[in-house]
Parts: sequence; structure tokens; C-alpha cells
Amino acid sequence: NAGVTQTPKFQVLKTGQSMTLQCAQDMNHNSMYWYRQDPGMGLRLIYYSASEGTTDKGEVPNGYNVSRLNKREFSLRLESAAPSQTSVYFCASSVRQGPGELFFGEGSRLTVL
Amino acid sequence: AQSVAQPEDQVNVAEGNPLTVKCTYSVSGNPYLFWYVQYPNRGLQFLLKYITGDNLVKGSYGFEAEFNKSQTSFHLKKPSALVSDSALYFCAVRFLSGNTGKLIFGQGTTLQVKP
Repeated sequence: NAGVTQTPKFQVLKTGQSMTLQCAQDMNHNSMYWYRQDPGMGLRLIYYSASEGTTDKGEVPNGYNVSRLNKREFSLRLESAAPSQTSVYFCASSVRQGPGELFFGEGSRLTVL
Repeated sequence: AQSVAQPEDQVNVAEGNPLTVKCTYSVSGNPYLFWYVQYPNRGLQFLLKYITGDNLVKGSYGFEAEFNKSQTSFHLKKPSALVSDSALYFCAVRFLSGNTGKLIFGQGTTLQVKP
């Protein structure tokens, strides 16, 4: 029962470096999401993918890119990391948009120095 | 603008007492409403949701929530709190009309249950 798996769990980057956060789900869900969590701000949606082959911007997409590689996998890329991107990143999935609840991964803690 | 608010940063209750964590939303349409819980260094876990029907929704771990359309609220409740309920709680709303599937989260409320 893996559910939603994120890698890596921890990462330290220097300003300007790039990296990719990986996410995979084994629940055959159609929709996948990337959120960031910052103290006092709740979770903010970065990008989402309603179904395989589609991606859309969320509330805070600047500085990020995503790829829906297949139905299982949805990656988040930081091309040139900035200190403002220090955060905890969560991947989530749902059966579809609408009433279905989201299932979350355990999070990836990213620090940009 | 569509939004969701959790007016309390922290709620403190004694073990065995009833607890309420508040959530209100602003909406132009009918929402789907959710509560999630987050334990330290973990992802969010689904507690319960309101889609339609009975305004009182029951969920995991003895939690329930009451949907009040006139007050645009969806408060989380539990009759008798446990120390193990201490965690960060998030209310979330997904709007139906003009919906692009986005789930909007409140800022979160830390629940502290003391023995």
C-alpha cells in the first residue's frame, strides 16, 4: 500500500541550482497535484494535472515546471532555485476532479541557500 | 474571490472536553468541503467531506463536521478530545461552478489537547 511516493524527502540546494522532485502514485488516479506548504500560509497549489497529458497552473506557478510523464508519475522541476522556494512540497492525487478527496505523499523538504 | 478561512491559529482544549475547529468560506456557487489532518513531519490525511445531503458529516477518528450554508461555515467537531488528536488541521474547499478542479486550503489550525 504505497499510495503516493515522493523523492527525495530532503534536499539542500544552492541558489541557481536545478532539481526535480519526483512523485508516483499506484492508485490508478487520474488527477495529480503539487502543493507547497509554508508556515501560516496553508497549502498553495503550484501546478496540477487533471488527467494524463494535461497540466495547468495553480496559485503559485512561477519558478516551477511540471511534467506528467504517464498516469502514475508527475514531476516538479525547479530550473534555477531561489531562497523563496525553500518550503515543504507535497504531491497529491485524486480519482478525478470534483468530489474526490486528495491522497498526499509524505512531503519533500527543500532548502535553498 | 473564492477563499477559505480558519480564524484561529491555535485551539487548546483539555482531554475529554468537546472541541471545535472553525472554518468559513466565501463562494459563488456550491462547494465541496473537506477536512484534513497533518501530524508532525507527515503528509495530510483525509478526515471527512461534505458533498451534498445531510449537513452533519461523520468522518475518521470520531470527528464530525457541520455544513451551514447560510453562515458559509464547515466547523470540525469532536465530542471528547484525545491527546492524540493534537495536530494541524486544514479545511479545504473545491468549488463547482467554473471549477477547474483546484482545492483551496485554509491556513491551518493547530489543535493542542492537554491531559
